Amino acid sequence: ETGVTQTPRHLVMGMTNKKSLKCEQHLGHNAMYWYKQSAKKPLELMFVYSLEERVENNSVPSRFSPECPNSSHLFLHLHTLQPEDSALYLCASSQVGAEGAGYTFGSGTRLTVV
Amino acid sequence: AQTVTQSQPEMSVQEAETVTLSCTYDTSESDYYLFWYKQPPSRQMILVIRQEAYKQQNATENRFSVNFQKAAKSFSLKISDSQLGDAAMYFCAYRRRIPNDMRFGAGTRLTVKP
Repeated sequence: ETGVTQTPRHLVMGMTNKKSLKCEQHLGHNAMYWYKQSAKKPLELMFVYSLEERVENNSVPSRFSPECPNSSHLFLHLHTLQPEDSALYLCASSQVGAEGAGYTFGSGTRLTVV
Repeated sequence: AQTVTQSQPEMSVQEAETVTLSCTYDTSESDYYLFWYKQPPSRQMILVIRQEAYKQQNATENRFSVNFQKAAKSFSLKISDSQLGDAAMYFCAYRRRIPNDMRFGAGTRLTVKP
């Protein structure tokens, strides 16, 4: 495995379900991110874990809960979602101190809330 | 707040021709990075080219080059000798050195006509 891997690739869930998105990076990076990508809108930064410190976007509803057990793994726990939460969720990683290198992204999880 | 604006939701180019994608950004910082990412149907965001704000010379990567106008806060991407594989969504992004977050534009969908 190389780069950033996200699972599952697709997810359909009901509004009362609880599910989790998983992200794993094999690059030795020390920062990881969750972005939400909706059609015709800029990517929205949801959460950042940097050097094991969580930086949270205050506009993210509490039905989204991140977890970063170590520098290689990142989860996004979902519960009681709304249809407007349907989107592509992208995970990315980077190396603190190498800001010019940009981020490495996974292929995303396409989430549909029914 | 830093914002990134891509004013062209869609662009098209004939194969082998040249196309320019526009991007403007708003910042009060003097030291930052700018990026262009490509997102093909596979959904993975791929870094195309990057520019450091303190460098006056425009970055180039093979058929891809940028026109960086710092005073105007403009960062356009030129694709020369367009190929069918260039068809994708292109996102302009801005990043400060600190903290760890990257801001994206809404994207431009590029179609390449054979």
